[in-house]
Amino acid sequence: KAGVTQTPRYLIKTRGQQVTLSCSPISGHRSVSWYQQTPGQGLQFLFEYFSETQRNKGNFPGRFSGRQFSNSRSEMNVSTLELGDSALYLCASSLRVEGDEQYFGPGTRLTVT
Amino acid sequence: AQSVTQPDIHITVSEGASLELRCNYSYGATPYLFWYVQSPGQGLQLLLKYFSGDTLVQGIKGFEAEFKRSQSSFNLRKPSVHWSDAAEYFCAVGERAGKSTFGDGTTLTVKP
Repeated sequence: KAGVTQTPRYLIKTRGQQVTLSCSPISGHRSVSWYQQTPGQGLQFLFEYFSETQRNKGNFPGRFSGRQFSNSRSEMNVSTLELGDSALYLCASSLRVEGDEQYFGPGTRLTVT
Repeated sequence: AQSVTQPDIHITVSEGASLELRCNYSYGATPYLFWYVQSPGQGLQLLLKYFSGDTLVQGIKGFEAEFKRSQSSFNLRKPSVHWSDAAEYFCAVGERAGKSTFGDGTTLTVKP
């Protein structure tokens, strides 16, 4: 069974631009979560989607948004990029929402210059 | 609010020695607890999880962890470390897998 895939793997953007990251969960998984990982802040929860509905949202500004499609694939978007948005963005999928383990993708490394 | 503390930022052990990584959590109810490992430039891989039942849980790669409710701890152990275990280890707590709070991680260095 294929794992969680994230595209692109690496991205360089300029301040003020916007970016869209994509995540394809493991086949059959309906829950997708996004995390931001930085050296200073560690791993921080962004949001979680289940069956196309956002179930939880972390403490991030409105510039960060996401969505989930009917095939469970998910995208996250960051508008008006700032230097501080440079990070590894990790996507994780799980079969169910309650008490299930997450499987992480390799991440997208975003660099904002 | 739930939180996770990994007191050791960096640990160095010799190959073949035993390992214990500490994790303390704060959570109002019975937590779901996880340990993940991350190699450089990679995503996180689940080592083991605790939801309920036996407080000593076995994971992959020879790791185990013990849940101690009285101490709010979930320490990760391995009896004999291999050079390939060098990585960063994260403890996480969550009401469910889809939303977890992670510790800051412990970087493990293995000396030959």
